[in-house]
Amino acid sequence: DAKTTQPPSMDCAEGRAANLPCNHSTISGNEYVYWYRQIHSQGPQYIIHGLKNNETNEMASLIITEDRKSSTLILPHATLRDTAVYYCILRSSNTGKLIFGQGTTLQVKP
Amino acid sequence: EAGVVQSPRYKIIEKKQPVAFWCNPISGHNTLYWYRQNLGQGPELLIRYENEEAVDDSQLPKDRFSAERLKGVDSTLKIQPAELGDSAVYLCASSLGDRGYEQYFGPGTRLTVT
Repeated sequence: DAKTTQPPSMDCAEGRAANLPCNHSTISGNEYVYWYRQIHSQGPQYIIHGLKNNETNEMASLIITEDRKSSTLILPHATLRDTAVYYCILRSSNTGKLIFGQGTTLQVKP
Repeated sequence: EAGVVQSPRYKIIEKKQPVAFWCNPISGHNTLYWYRQNLGQGPELLIRYENEEAVDDSQLPKDRFSAERLKGVDSTLKIQPAELGDSAVYLCASSLGDRGYEQYFGPGTRLTVT
C-alpha cells in the first residue's frame, strides 16, 4: 500500500514556482523518496529522488525535512506543459518496488 | 534513444474475448515491468522480469492473465478471457536493473472491454 499522503489537486500560475508537498511519516531508513509525473495519455516520467539530502536536477528540486517525514517537490518556473499528475513514492532499497498512490493533479494556469 | 514502445495504443474488445499487448523495452534494459492503471488511480505492478525470468508475479491474476518475455527482450501480456473489470491502461516499463535505477515507461495500451 502507498505510504505517502499528497493533496489531490493544486493550481499554479505559469512562471511561478510550484511547490508540491508529500507526507511520509512512516518512512523507513532504507526508503528513498521518488517523484514521478504523468502527463495526460502518457506513461509516468521520472523526475527526481533523494534519501536525506536535498537534491536538484534540470527538472526540479527536492527538499526533504530533517526527520524525513515529509518532502516538497519544487518546479521553479512552472509552464503549461508541467500540468500533470505528480506521484510521491517511497521506494525500498531492498525491493526496488514503486508503489504509486493517487498523486497530486497540478494544473498550471496562464 | 528510442523509448519503451507499446502496441497497440488502443484496443476495444467484447468480454470473454482474448487480447494481447506487446512491449519493446529500451535497448540494454534487463528489467521489464507490466503495470495496470485504473481510471483515476496510480499504476499497480502486475509482473516484473529480470531478463527472461519472471521474478515477481504476485499481483498477476493467473487465472486469466499470462505474460512472457522470450529471449529477455520483448514481452507480451495476454488476457483470456477478458472481463469488464479489465478495462484499464496497461503500461510497460523497463530499467537497467531493479534497485536504484529509474524506470522508463511506455505510453500504455488503453483497453476497453464492452
